[in-house]
Amino acid sequence: GENVEQHPSTLSVQEGDSAVIKCTYSDSASNYFPWYKQELGKGPQLIIDIRSNVGEKKDQRIAVTLNKTAKHFSLHITETQPEDSAVYFCAASRGGANNLFFGTGTRLTVIP
Amino acid sequence: EAGVAQSPRYKIIEKRQSVAFWCNPISGHATLYWYQQILGQGPKLLIQFQNNGVVDDSQLPKDRFSAERLKGVDSTLKIQPAKLEDSAVYLCASSTPGNTIYFGEGSWLTVV
Repeated sequence: GENVEQHPSTLSVQEGDSAVIKCTYSDSASNYFPWYKQELGKGPQLIIDIRSNVGEKKDQRIAVTLNKTAKHFSLHITETQPEDSAVYFCAASRGGANNLFFGTGTRLTVIP
Repeated sequence: EAGVAQSPRYKIIEKRQSVAFWCNPISGHATLYWYQQILGQGPKLLIQFQNNGVVDDSQLPKDRFSAERLKGVDSTLKIQPAKLEDSAVYLCASSTPGNTIYFGEGSWLTVV
């Protein structure tokens, strides 16, 4: 099955700086890559996703890049704010109604 | 639009007791998932339903876990008898085929 690895496990940045989280996947058939943000005591919330037919997608301060050849994708958050502090999970799927395989999570702390 | 509803939010039981969690997906979502999230890890799929049929239950510990989705809407996940290692957050999620997976807030289980 799919194996998703995520780095780093923890990340601290100063407010206003950028944060980058990286993931690799093993299944070359995976074609859907979402990122979820999970705040304490809450369920994961989708923040951005990318499909294999594009290499980059942006939504305001958040961007995701995908390198299918290398089987890795990254989340970029610019101009970080304290409310960005949370655990972020990457995931991979073969798309359709297929299951998501999650990474182990990155705890992001934005220091005011 | 109402999100995925789960109950109870929190449950503490003794080992060997039983527990049941309920989920009501987003209206119109044919696909329903139950994930288990152990503290410090990413969610892992337990079972996936398409309407009222099981699509994938390969990771469900069938000797103690059961799930049903009668009438293709609400779902119930049961654990009997519970073990200490079942302490986790049980996340219900739903989607329309091929689209974003939305998660509920989760049901937090502590087995003592």
